[in-house]
Amino acid sequence: DAMVIQNPRYQVTQFGKPVTLSCSQTLNHNVMYWYQQKSSQAPKLLFHYYDKDFNNEADTPDNFQSRRPNTSFCFLDIRSPGLGDAAMYLCATSRESTGGIMDQPQHFGDGTRLSIL
Amino acid sequence: AQKVTQAQTEISVVEKEDVTLDCVYETRDTTYYLFWYKQPPSGELVFLIRRNSFDEQNEISGRYSWNFQKSTSSFNFTITASQVVDSAVYFCALSEVKGSQGNLIFGKGTKLSVKP
Repeated sequence: DAMVIQNPRYQVTQFGKPVTLSCSQTLNHNVMYWYQQKSSQAPKLLFHYYDKDFNNEADTPDNFQSRRPNTSFCFLDIRSPGLGDAAMYLCATSRESTGGIMDQPQHFGDGTRLSIL
Repeated sequence: AQKVTQAQTEISVVEKEDVTLDCVYETRDTTYYLFWYKQPPSGELVFLIRRNSFDEQNEISGRYSWNFQKSTSSFNFTITASQVVDSAVYFCALSEVKGSQGNLIFGKGTKLSVKP
């Protein structure tokens, strides 16, 4: 089945130690998103790629970076994780929107739960 | 400003009861889209429905139904004869015009617990 796959499912890292989360998709969607979701909160968009065009949300900390080497893969890099970065990180994909309005359903992976020691 | 309000933080029902999850939105756009997503305990968000602002027709899919009323800016979700497997957090979301791909504004979610 076509899907969005996130690895690892759980990630533990130390305070300040860089960590990379990965996402792959078999849907061939050209838009990929990274969300941060803290406990009992709504997902918060960090950034998204439209093909190779990177779009950063204004309030996404500089500590968060992303790479998309090809259509299928997207990575989230946290350069110096702090305790406040402990959260579930969700990757999603969609077809491209029309007219600048998000009109396409997003397909989500299972998420990576990041813990900071 | 865009805003999505899900006033019910948590709802608990007994299996076979009907339950309605409320969603109220605010937007100045004339063209917009509304979505419902389900997030079971396993974590992934599952797309349930999309509705555009020009289509006020209600929709039914099995035990699920959605009532969209532009006059009250509401997009409510009803589960008929609830089941334990319906236990999840449900998010209502509103699209906004932003950049080339737009953006989704999520409500804070309603946690539904269905007890046997």
